[in-house]
Amino acid sequence: KQEVTQIPAALSVPEGENLVLNCSFTDSAIYNLQWFRQDPGKGLTSLLLIQSSQREQTSGRLNASLDKSSGRSTLYIAASQPGDSATYLCALVGYALNFGKGTSLLVTP
Amino acid sequence: EPEVTQTPSHQVTQMGQEVILRCVPISNHLYFYWYRQILGQKVEFLVSFYNNEISEKSEIFDDQFSVERPDGSNFTLKIRSTKLEDSAMYFCASSIQGSTDTQYFGPGTRLTVL
Repeated sequence: KQEVTQIPAALSVPEGENLVLNCSFTDSAIYNLQWFRQDPGKGLTSLLLIQSSQREQTSGRLNASLDKSSGRSTLYIAASQPGDSATYLCALVGYALNFGKGTSLLVTP
Repeated sequence: EPEVTQTPSHQVTQMGQEVILRCVPISNHLYFYWYRQILGQKVEFLVSFYNNEISEKSEIFDDQFSVERPDGSNFTLKIRSTKLEDSAMYFCASSIQGSTDTQYFGPGTRLTVL
């Protein structure tokens, strides 16, 4: 079974910094990869879906990349804001979503 | 913007009782899913549902679980005899096309089994 790993488990940055969240997986034979945001006690908000044939997707201050050969995806957040504080999850898309444990991000004012 | 809704937001039940968790997927979506997240752990897939039948299920989804689309809008997850280890947040999701399409999640139902 695919293992999905997200490092670091937690990250704290001052407001305004650019940052990168990492997601790695063990098998390059994936379909797509989806990034989510989860606020405490809340549901999951889809941020970006990268098709397996794509190398990146952008939405506003977010940019997600996918490198299947190395088994990695990154989520780049530009000019971070306190409102970006949340847990960020990556999930491999197959017959179902296979999630990592997430990176808990805190952006301090 | 259309969204997935779930009721109740929090359910407390006694061990051995039956619970039904309810979801209203986005109206033009055809594929429906249940996931769960035990506190501090990963979100885990339970089951997918299309065309009034189960498409895929995980090993977690044993005979204690069942899903149903009783009418044109609701999608339910039933746990027949709850165990302590069923305590978790249960998320419903839906997508227009299959599982490789963007899945949209509801806010979740927190199930507490005492």
